Amino acid sequence: EMQLVQSGAAVKKPGESLKISCKGSGYRFDNYWISWVRQMPGKGLQWMGSIYPGDSETRHSPSFQGQVTISADKSIDTAYLQWHSLKASDTGTYYCARHVVIRSAFDTWGQGTMVTVSS
Amino acid sequence: DIVMTQSPDSLAVSLGERATISCKSSQSVLFSSNNKNSLAWYQQKPGQPPKLLIYWASIRESGVPDRFIGSGSGTDFTLTISSLQAEDVAAYFCQQYNTSPPTFGQGTKLEIK
Repeated sequence: EMQLVQSGAAVKKPGESLKISCKGSGYRFDNYWISWVRQMPGKGLQWMGSIYPGDSETRHSPSFQGQVTISADKSIDTAYLQWHSLKASDTGTYYCARHVVIRSAFDTWGQGTMVTVSS
Repeated sequence: DIVMTQSPDSLAVSLGERATISCKSSQSVLFSSNNKNSLAWYQQKPGQPPKLLIYWASIRESGVPDRFIGSGSGTDFTLTISSLQAEDVAAYFCQQYNTSPPTFGQGTKLEIK
């Protein structure tokens, strides 16, 4: 069964760093793109960026460029989303999602990681 | 960025009746290489991640009941649930993946009347 399993919820203070993970199983991890999608409380979905674990090619949304780092380690079938200095406005749920090519629908989603940033 | 606008924002339909959600894009999402529209529909139940229902505007994902029907082309798309079931209560999002960044509609919340 294809699956993406994300790391658990995090509670952080403004200015702290955080790295969340997304582990794939049941398919060839390095043959599919992984996107990160933000959902703020009670709101819609925003694409943040994508990575192709096979060669680490990365695409970023201009809205998130420079705010987060997207990476992957294909040896352990895991993608990451990292912040170096969190803000209260980063509070939300973050999903990873799989897609076969850069221009395709997201066919498998992780369960989501809730990030709360509060002083 | 391509702006995706859904209507209505919320919808209440009786069990067994038809539910229709509209999605309009600010520019065409036709993918010239395969002449298909790069439009997907997702269902999100409370506390769960989105689930892919429809891609290429009208192709149902494996396992999705045939009461979910996607249609439309160019800039105007529709998701129809032909006979509403209790388990269809959810938020529904459209997404274009033709042009980067991929963008989503604001969502439509579907409830039982």
